[in-house]
Amino acid sequence: DTAVSQTPKYLVTQMGNDKSIKCEQNLGHDTMYWYKQDSKKFLKIMFSYNNKELIINETVPNRFSPKSPDKAHLNLHINSLELGDSAVYFCASSQAHEQFFGPGTRLTVL
Amino acid sequence: KQEVTQIPAALSVPEGENLVLNCSFTDSAIYNLQWFRQDPGKGLTSLLLIQSSQREQTSGRLNASLDKSSGRSTLYIAASQPGDSATYLCAVRVTGNQFYFGTGTSLTVIP
Repeated sequence: DTAVSQTPKYLVTQMGNDKSIKCEQNLGHDTMYWYKQDSKKFLKIMFSYNNKELIINETVPNRFSPKSPDKAHLNLHINSLELGDSAVYFCASSQAHEQFFGPGTRLTVL
Repeated sequence: KQEVTQIPAALSVPEGENLVLNCSFTDSAIYNLQWFRQDPGKGLTSLLLIQSSQREQTSGRLNASLDKSSGRSTLYIAASQPGDSATYLCAVRVTGNQFYFGTGTSLTVIP
């Protein structure tokens, strides 16, 4: 069973479009995250939700909007995509201590 | 603000060699430190988790140590194998469920 899953795995789109990435965890964790990994492989946290409430919102453009319909899901919606948004986006979940990561979504903006 | 650095950025060793990867963090007020492995084009796999009260953790050929006061952790890999080739990342957890990742060490084990 996949613990943290993301869809889609690859996303190629034109500048200016709006797209969403979905994340689901079946671990029963209370906290979920979105990270961005740039071309230099550096991982930076974007958002963190605990029990559907936003607890961390780093300096991310407001074109990025996370949505948590329930504790097991944290989706990421991106408006007006820009070239600089191209990266790999990882979803993760944790229960106080250890983090578990999804397989990543490679977003390419043309 | 917490900064996490990993040295070296890249490492290439012959199979069978023992090796050490380093992770440094600037603020010792951490809850725990986690080591991950990332294979090309894949997600992160958790290797070891050390709580702030612990000094080390072991799993198979891997041993991670933590010296919170000096802001350092090491990941020791014994008898390296080609299958160990990957990027190794450390991450510290601080207050508020915030995690900071290191810059990673890219390891290549040559058969």
